[in-house]
Amino acid sequence: KAGVTQTPRYLIKTRGQQVTLSCSPISGHRSVSWYQQTPGQGLQFLFEYFSETQRNKGNFPGRFSGRQFSNSRSEMNVSTLELGDSALYLCASSLREGQYEQYFGPGTRLTVT
Amino acid sequence: KQEVTQIPAALSVPEGENLVLNCSFTDSAIYNLQWFRQDPGKGLTSLLLIQSSQREQTSGRLNASLDKSSGRSTLYIAASQPGDSATYLCAVGEGNTGGFKTIFGAGTRLFVKA
Repeated sequence: KAGVTQTPRYLIKTRGQQVTLSCSPISGHRSVSWYQQTPGQGLQFLFEYFSETQRNKGNFPGRFSGRQFSNSRSEMNVSTLELGDSALYLCASSLREGQYEQYFGPGTRLTVT
Repeated sequence: KQEVTQIPAALSVPEGENLVLNCSFTDSAIYNLQWFRQDPGKGLTSLLLIQSSQREQTSGRLNASLDKSSGRSTLYIAASQPGDSATYLCAVGEGNTGGFKTIFGAGTRLFVKA
């Protein structure tokens, strides 16, 4: 069974631009969560989607948004990029919400210049 | 607000040594606790998942315990090998019918010397 895939793997953007990252969960998994990882803040929860609905959101500004499609694939969007948005963005999928094991993708490395 | 702390921040041991990584959390109302390893520049690999009703889980040379009442978990690695060198992350899952989220500790960087 294929693992969680994320595209693109690397991205370089300029301040003020916007970016869309994609995540394809493991087949059959319906919950997708997104995380931002930086050297200073570590791994921080961005949002969680289940059945095409955003179920929970972390403490990030409204520039960070996302959505989930009917096939459980998810996208996250960051508008008006800032230098501080440079990070590794990780996506994780699980069978459902709650007590299920999370499986992570390889991440998208975003660099904002 | 849930806070997850991992001690030590870094650890260097000779090959073959048994070691314990510690994780503590401030709010015991958790769904589960999961241990991950992360190699430099890579995503996370799940090692062990302990449900809130469980006390421990084992996989090969790894054993993780959970004490919800004291807000503590430990990851025991037996007979460490150079290939175990990585950052180990502890994560607690919490939530309710309104949604679910995972809170991570800062990790323990482990180096196993050959």
